[in-house]
Amino acid sequence: EAGVVQSPRYKIIEKKQPVAFWCNPISGHNTLYWYLQNLGQGPELLIRYENEEAVDDSQLPKDRFSAERLKGVDSTLKIQPAELGDSAVYLCASSSGTGGRIDNEQFFGPGTRLTVL
Amino acid sequence: GQQLNQSPQSMFIQEGEDVSMNCTSSSIFNTWLWYKQEPGEGPVLLIALYKAGELTSNGRLTAQFGITRKDSFLNISASIPSDVGIYFCAGQRGNQFYFGTGTSLTVIP
Repeated sequence: EAGVVQSPRYKIIEKKQPVAFWCNPISGHNTLYWYLQNLGQGPELLIRYENEEAVDDSQLPKDRFSAERLKGVDSTLKIQPAELGDSAVYLCASSSGTGGRIDNEQFFGPGTRLTVL
Repeated sequence: GQQLNQSPQSMFIQEGEDVSMNCTSSSIFNTWLWYKQEPGEGPVLLIALYKAGELTSNGRLTAQFGITRKDSFLNISASIPSDVGIYFCAGQRGNQFYFGTGTSLTVIP
């Protein structure tokens, strides 16, 4: 079974430019997460989707960040315009989210490493 | 967002030694999880703990869910070079996951 797929793996842009990241979760997983991971830190949640609904976006900087999950499957995360401080790894994760022990485990993609110059 | 306190921050050990790391929080969690992250990859789940006091093993790894539900620890026995990586704890509450700051492990052959 394929894992969580993310693209691109690396992105280098100049500040003030827009950037977008794409995530394809594990087939059948209803819950999708976007995390930000700064160097030397653990992942921090940006947004969580249950199917196509964003149920927790309290940590998403909405002035420049946006996300969508079309048809409750793939998701994109966009930054416009990017700032120097946005340089980090953006991780996508998914879980089946239907309750029960095994369903609460989330699986991570490899991440997109963003460098803003 | 909330980050859990994880210690030690880094460890340098000889191959064959045992390793202990722990994670504490000011809040209680329903589930504790331990992940390992290697360079250029996302975290991979190692062990999940679902009940206070629970002790669970996965090969050379053993983890415990603290009685107070505010802490957890991970032990690695007889370390080998491929244990190198960053280990993260995470506390789960519903569909919310809160991660620790990570313990970087270096194993010297």
